[in-house]
Amino acid sequence: EDQVTQSPEALRLQEGESSSLNCSYTVSGLRGLFWYRQDPGKGPEFLFTLYSAGEEKEKERLKATLTKKESFLHITAPKPEDSATYLCAVRPAAGNKLTFGGGTRVLVKP
Amino acid sequence: DTEVTQTPKHLVMGMTNKKSLKCEQHMGHRAMYWYKQKAKKPPELMFVYSYEKLSINESVPSRFSPECPNSSLLNLHLHALQPEDSALYLCASTDRGLSDTQYFGPGTRLTVL
Repeated sequence: EDQVTQSPEALRLQEGESSSLNCSYTVSGLRGLFWYRQDPGKGPEFLFTLYSAGEEKEKERLKATLTKKESFLHITAPKPEDSATYLCAVRPAAGNKLTFGGGTRVLVKP
Repeated sequence: DTEVTQTPKHLVMGMTNKKSLKCEQHMGHRAMYWYKQKAKKPPELMFVYSYEKLSINESVPSRFSPECPNSSLLNLHLHALQPEDSALYLCASTDRGLSDTQYFGPGTRLTVL
């Protein structure tokens, strides 16, 4: 059974204090690992898709990396508007279901 | 354009009401999904439609009835819901032939009284 574990559950940062979120996964053949950002009461907003170990993607202050067992979402010099829940999900090689982690709630204080 | 739209944004209904949620995408995606999300929890898959046919039903109670009238539209018909069905209902779509990325709509906040 596919499993995704995100840590920490919650993260409080001062503005400008860089940090990393972890997503550990087990999946029967990885087709893709996805990062989403979700604001309260809204739908998840797509950030990145990673397909193979060693791959990295960046967008503004966010950088996602992937190994064979985990992915990291690095937030560099965060701003209060980066406050959100960040969700990680994996898709196996067979089927079209995503398995989500529990999410990391990030709060960036000015 | 990666937009999935959902209507209504908010819905309040009694346990004896019948209502429907609507989802639309014009990206040519051939797989569409319904998720249920409770507060501080990740989205929980309910149904998957692939090429307008129901391919996955995650043992969802029959008071939830999905419908895919065409490749751009997805409905979720609601009847005789319970207060514990109150949640954010999310629609998503993906083109399995390309990036496999699921794009989510903004959701419908459902409250069952």
